[in-house]
Amino acid sequence: SQTIHQWPATLVQPVGSPLSLECTVEGTSNPNLYWYRQAAGRGLQLLFYSVGIGQISSEVPQNLSASRPQDRQFILSSKKLLLSDSGFYLCAWSVYTRDQPQHFGDGTRLSIL
Amino acid sequence: KQEVTQIPAALSVPEGENLVLNCSFTDSAIYNLQWFRQDPGKGLTSLLLIQSSQREQTSGRLNASLDKSSGRSTLYIAASQPGDSATYLCASILTGGGNKLTFGTGTQLKVEL
Repeated sequence: SQTIHQWPATLVQPVGSPLSLECTVEGTSNPNLYWYRQAAGRGLQLLFYSVGIGQISSEVPQNLSASRPQDRQFILSSKKLLLSDSGFYLCAWSVYTRDQPQHFGDGTRLSIL
Repeated sequence: KQEVTQIPAALSVPEGENLVLNCSFTDSAIYNLQWFRQDPGKGLTSLLLIQSSQREQTSGRLNASLDKSSGRSTLYIAASQPGDSATYLCASILTGGGNKLTFGTGTQLKVEL
């Protein structure tokens, strides 16, 4: 069966520090991968998605970037965090067809001080 | 741009009650619609996915319906239990929107003993 792992579960970072969140998927090949952010009082917002290694689409202009160095690895990064980057970050995967649901990891709670 | 609205934002019911959660969307050109459950501080669990050609999907005590012409979907929960307490999110993929989900802000459900 397929599983998705995100780490860390919780992170507290100072403003201006770098960020690296990692997501890996097991049990499937060539998945679509997604990064979402859920800010307090707001809905889930798609940040990035990837259909293959090195292929990243950005949905909103922001202080973050994403990379996919391996087929089942998706990384969310920032060079300098802002207070507005606080939130709950969720990674998800799906098979390449749109007929199947997206499956989510347990998320990373990011607090910027 | 697709906008997804969920009403009510919060709902409290006694155990055993049947209930309906509502989801409305502005663009009826959807490819499919998904319902998710989110427990506090956790990721999302996919509950049901309805293709645009379908009218409803059922899984156990859950039944989701879709009416594209009116831009509405409902999630029916039969014989509610305290374990059903969670936030329920609906999300749609547009026909021309790749695999990008647009989420509603959710309905927070509490089932009381």
